Amino acid sequence: QSALTQPPSASGSPGQSVTISCTGTRSDVGGYNYVSWYQQHPGKAPKLMISEVSKRPSGVPDRFSGSKSGNTASLTVSGLQAEDEADYYCSSYTGSLYVFGTGTKVTVL
Amino acid sequence: EVQLVESGGGLVKPGGSLRLSCAASGLTFTKAWMTWVRQAPGKGLECVGRIKAKVHGGTTDYGAPVKGRFTISRDDSKDALYLEMSSLKIEDTAMYYCTTENMGGFDIWGQGTLVTVSS
Repeated sequence: QSALTQPPSASGSPGQSVTISCTGTRSDVGGYNYVSWYQQHPGKAPKLMISEVSKRPSGVPDRFSGSKSGNTASLTVSGLQAEDEADYYCSSYTGSLYVFGTGTKVTVL
Repeated sequence: EVQLVESGGGLVKPGGSLRLSCAASGLTFTKAWMTWVRQAPGKGLECVGRIKAKVHGGTTDYGAPVKGRFTISRDDSKDALYLEMSSLKIEDTAMYYCTTENMGGFDIWGQGTLVTVSS
């Protein structure tokens, strides 16, 4: 199972929005609504930010939103804040296990 | 407080074996589907394998790179998850996380334990 494709980097100024794409196939992203997104700060464990394409777990700011169209899922961070600077990974169910994306480093300018 | 704590990582020679543990607290472990995820230094996340709750059959699935070499098990009486790793390769060097699978996402993560395979 190949990793889902994400852009290596994305950036925005404080207060702006940034959108990260996550492209897979009909066998993963396109076939299931079990797409999730994770935030990872250096030296820390990943943190679940979005599950089931667009659901925010308790405690995750509503600045974070998710969507999906066909084989591509997206994470949008609105109103960027300094603490949003981190690596972001998408993940999708594949019918057995899960596959992760290649990761995107978000920089707050 | 819900918590997962991994242990057992360390330095091992290629071809060697190692057993990782994950102690769970604050959750109903018997109902949890548990997954091991690893991250090589400077690289992305990779699913190692998963074990379902016994009530759902307790079956395991493994990623292609580790199939036949790694074994996941659980001891519900101890709220513990295990990862037995054998025939270790240099490319197995990574931080290993245990995590709970819930509604299509991994919602609880441990702090990770580092496995280094080197001669």
